[in-house]
Amino acid sequence: GQSLEQPSEVTAVEGAIVQINCTYQTSGFYGLSWYQQHDGGAPTFLSYNALDGLEETGRFSSFLSRSDSYGYLLLQELQMKDSASYFCAVISSNTGKLIFGQGTTLQVKP
Amino acid sequence: NAGVMQNPRHLVRRRGQEARLRCSPMKGHSHVYWYRQLPEEGLKFMVYLQKENIIDESGMPKERFSAEFPKEGPSILRIQQVVRGDSAAYFCASSPPTVRDTEAFFGQGTRLTVV
Repeated sequence: GQSLEQPSEVTAVEGAIVQINCTYQTSGFYGLSWYQQHDGGAPTFLSYNALDGLEETGRFSSFLSRSDSYGYLLLQELQMKDSASYFCAVISSNTGKLIFGQGTTLQVKP
Repeated sequence: NAGVMQNPRHLVRRRGQEARLRCSPMKGHSHVYWYRQLPEEGLKFMVYLQKENIIDESGMPKERFSAEFPKEGPSILRIQQVVRGDSAAYFCASSPPTVRDTEAFFGQGTRLTVV
């Protein structure tokens, strides 16, 4: 089966840097994705890692270590609009299905 | 280029009725996922389909729930004899033939309320 662990809540102030960790267990792993969801709306794609290392996209970066079954999402220069839920998701190489973690609620304070 | 379209956005059903949720994927996408989300919780995988084929239904309850993605028309998630515990947001996502090197695009969801 698959399971993903991420913190349930994180709080930070505007302008700060925050890291959201994700550890996973899966039978067949192809890659790790991150999605953002505002107020129960449609989740939107942020980043994807198939190989070890850091992927940078503007203020957001994502890291993967396949040997440690671990990844993180790094958000820099936090803005109020970054307050949302962030989900890590594993792509299973067995069937290609996308499995999500429970999500981390990020609250950005002034 | 329209995104993933789900309808209805809100659905109210009485206990024992049937709920039919529709999902039209993005143009050119042949694969569809369905997820269920309870308030303050994560996206729980239900089923992964391609046209005329169920790839993985390991997250579907054994009874009352079914899904299809016909050759023509939207994907349908069908819940028979709904109970209060079925109340949730149901999200559909679509992707090209493989999501491995790309992203999945989500619809706005259908909020099902069972009264």
